[in-house]
Amino acid sequence: GESVGLHLPTLSVQEGDNSIINCAYSNSASDYFIWYKQESGKGPQFIIDIRSNMDKRQGQRVTVLLNKTVKHLSLQIAATQPGDSAVYFCAENMVTGTALIFGKGTTLSVSS
Amino acid sequence: NAGVTQTPKFQVLKTGQSMTLQCAQDMNHEYMSWYRQDPGMGLRLIHYSVGAGITDQGEVPNGYNVSRSTTEDFPLRLLSAAPSQTSVYFCASSYSKRGGTEAFFGQGTRLTVV
Repeated sequence: GESVGLHLPTLSVQEGDNSIINCAYSNSASDYFIWYKQESGKGPQFIIDIRSNMDKRQGQRVTVLLNKTVKHLSLQIAATQPGDSAVYFCAENMVTGTALIFGKGTTLSVSS
Repeated sequence: NAGVTQTPKFQVLKTGQSMTLQCAQDMNHEYMSWYRQDPGMGLRLIHYSVGAGITDQGEVPNGYNVSRSTTEDFPLRLLSAAPSQTSVYFCASSYSKRGGTEAFFGQGTRLTVV
């Protein structure tokens, strides 16, 4: 079965709200996680990553939180914009630098 | 700056036909991989390569072959297409960086098998 998955298939928010997208993983040995954004008709795009020796990592308007105790990842998007509408996937490395295992994805819809 | 280029973008095959999906990267990345994406699903790993001449199976390898004769190219071959292989296929190249890896994806090939 999958070692990485997402809690909710869809999330709808209003423009300007903060969005939180969640992901649970089952492999306690996983040491590297990545969030990807996929817009319609395009390939996934890297958003932010985090290693297992960190609890939090911030980017521009995005923050990833890692809770190793409950094997949970979250992606927080501040001041969500219509351009953030996409499918978001969490993924983990099989072996660092080789390939990725993806969760099912959450579709984020942002309304104005 | 092309990145990862996949061809064709769209393809319709009849059951039993064979074809090759092309993938090329110009970033000199060591690692390349193929995924398929079905509706409502995440990307599932088909095959991957850690360098020229080295390939390995992913989660769903059956019905697909790969080879990696050069760093730049990583073609995916469907030997005898089946309707269950109708999907969107993504190729990725990646490299190790401090703390982990970063993967770059092509735009995808939408394959329909009738």
